[in-house]
Parts: sequence; structure tokens; C-alpha cells
Amino acid sequence: GEDVEQSLFLSVREGDSSVINCTYTDSSSTYLYWYKQEPGAGLQLLTYIFSNMDMKQDQRLTVLLNKKDKHLSLRIADTQTGDSAIYFCAETGGFKTIFGAGTRLFVKA
Amino acid sequence: GAGVSQSPSNKVTEKGKDVELRCDPISGHTALYWYRQSLGQGLEFLIYFQGNSAPDKSGLPSDRFSAERTGGSVSTLTIQRTQQEDSAVYLCASSLDSSGGGDTQYFGPGTRLTVL
Repeated sequence: GEDVEQSLFLSVREGDSSVINCTYTDSSSTYLYWYKQEPGAGLQLLTYIFSNMDMKQDQRLTVLLNKKDKHLSLRIADTQTGDSAIYFCAETGGFKTIFGAGTRLFVKA
Repeated sequence: GAGVSQSPSNKVTEKGKDVELRCDPISGHTALYWYRQSLGQGLEFLIYFQGNSAPDKSGLPSDRFSAERTGGSVSTLTIQRTQQEDSAVYLCASSLDSSGGGDTQYFGPGTRLTVL
């Protein structure tokens, strides 16, 4: 069945870049998403990319998609303490969106 | 409203009691989804509605769980005879229309359920 995998934890220093990686299995995925969940809050859509794109940039966020390897990454430039959260990768090819377990980003001041 | 709202935000109940969790989706969104997030876990898909019908109930963990949606808007997730393993954050999301696939889901803040 479909599966989305991501590492569970990432620690970076304030000001550095963060790169969160994700792999998925469904080759028919049409949309891939990154969501952010701050403590005690629901999920907030950060950005998404269509499967026919290989890169999308939005201010400090850069999404890279390698469709051949089914690999998605989220790069956060100049990481700030406010970026500390859990980041979920998700993919969909139909009505059901499959989420990864989330990567907890810890930013050290 | 401007976003997806859920109530209550927190619910503490005793084992064996029934609970109802409510979700108000974004106005005009035809698709509605329920997820469960247990401590330290990712999101677990429970059920999805297109309008008032639920084409996919495959994620409901047991027959103690049920959900309904009326008027193509508000949805209620009911858990009967709650067990301690039901303790989790229950998240609701809505999207414009899932029929084409890939519509962005917007999430509510969740209901934190604690079963003592």
C-alpha cells in the first residue's frame, strides 16, 4: 500500500538551513504537501508541489521533488526558533492523503 | 467561519463512556476528513466524507467508532464505550472537493481526548 516515510527528528542551529527529507511509494501521486504543526495546534499547510514540477520556492522555503526516486525535501533557509515544530510530508493521488509520521525540528539558539 | 473549527478542544472522560466530537468545516468545502494523532505518532486516517456520504470508512479502528455529516456541513465523530487506547488528538480537515484528487486539506485545531 501507499507509504510515506520521514526521519523523526532534526536539530539545527538558529540561522542555519534545515533540510527535511521524505520518501513516498505511490508513483501515481499528483500532489505532495508539507504541513507544519506547532505545539498544541492543528496542522497548517506550508506549501505544496505538483508532481510535474521539480522545484518550488516560496520565501525561505524550497521544495525539491525527485519523482524518479520518489523523494521530496523541504529546505528552510535561515532557520529561526519560531520554526521549531513538527513537519509532515503528505502525498495524494486521489481523495485519500497519506501522511508521514512527522519530523520534529528543534532549533537551537 | 474563516477556518475549520472543532469542539470541544479538550475532553476528559471515563473509560466506558460515549463521547461526541464535532467539526465545523470551512463553508463551501464538500470534503471532510477525520484523523487521529496518538502521542508521538503520525496521522492516522479514520474516515472521509464527500457531501453527506462516507465513501471510505476503512480507517475506523473498530465498530465503536462512527461518524456522520449532515447538511453537507457539520460532522460528528462518536466513540462509544471509550477505552484508554482511544486517548489521542482527533483532527478534522476539509477541502473544496476531493473528487478530482489533491485538493488541499485545511485542518482544525483538534480535540484532545483523554480517557481515564
